Amino acid sequence: GAVVSQHPSWVICKSGTSVKIECRSLDFQATTMFWYRQFPKQSLMLMATSNEGSKATYEQGVEKDKFLINHASLTLSTLTVTSAHPEDSSFYICSARTGETQYFGPGTRLLVL
Amino acid sequence: EDQVTQSPEALRLQEGESSSLNCSYTVSGLRGLFWYRQDPGKGPEFLFTLYSAGEEKEKERLKATLTKKESFLHITAPKPEDSATYLCAVNYGGSQGNLIFGKGTKLSVKP
Repeated sequence: GAVVSQHPSWVICKSGTSVKIECRSLDFQATTMFWYRQFPKQSLMLMATSNEGSKATYEQGVEKDKFLINHASLTLSTLTVTSAHPEDSSFYICSARTGETQYFGPGTRLLVL
Repeated sequence: EDQVTQSPEALRLQEGESSSLNCSYTVSGLRGLFWYRQDPGKGPEFLFTLYSAGEEKEKERLKATLTKKESFLHITAPKPEDSATYLCAVNYGGSQGNLIFGKGTKLSVKP
């Protein structure tokens, strides 16, 4: 149980384009989902907390207009990187919370050329 | 400031050589300490949750313990497939269940 999926697993895009990443909890409902970013050899940095049916809460320093988050249902949250630039290249990981535990997706590697 | 510190940063073991990883934390209002395993290029895999000092949990060759200031992840007779980065995270009491992660310990087990 407690499986979280992400799609796509990797994406390459041109600078200036937008990219959408989906995060789904497959066998449970999650009122809260989280989006993290991880640079090489670094730990996970929380970008935002997403609650179903309400606006996401962004961490300090994260541009809400650049990283659009939508939590449309209890099993789906999406992260859209708008007008992506090379510095946005990273490993993006989502998690979904059930009880006190967060279960993580497999991650999405984004490369912006 | 709430902090989570893991040590060592890297650990190399021979197969069968038991050892421990440390996670020390300074948070005001601990609502759970979590251990995850992360393989390269993948998301973290949940291992354990500990809530109170004195609590212990086991899974195969792994055993996690918790005190008021730190947690240990003991690895008994490790195998090469135990090689991964082990992450410690603390729920610091936010209503959303937000986690603070340590930087991880990269474990390598040689056959």
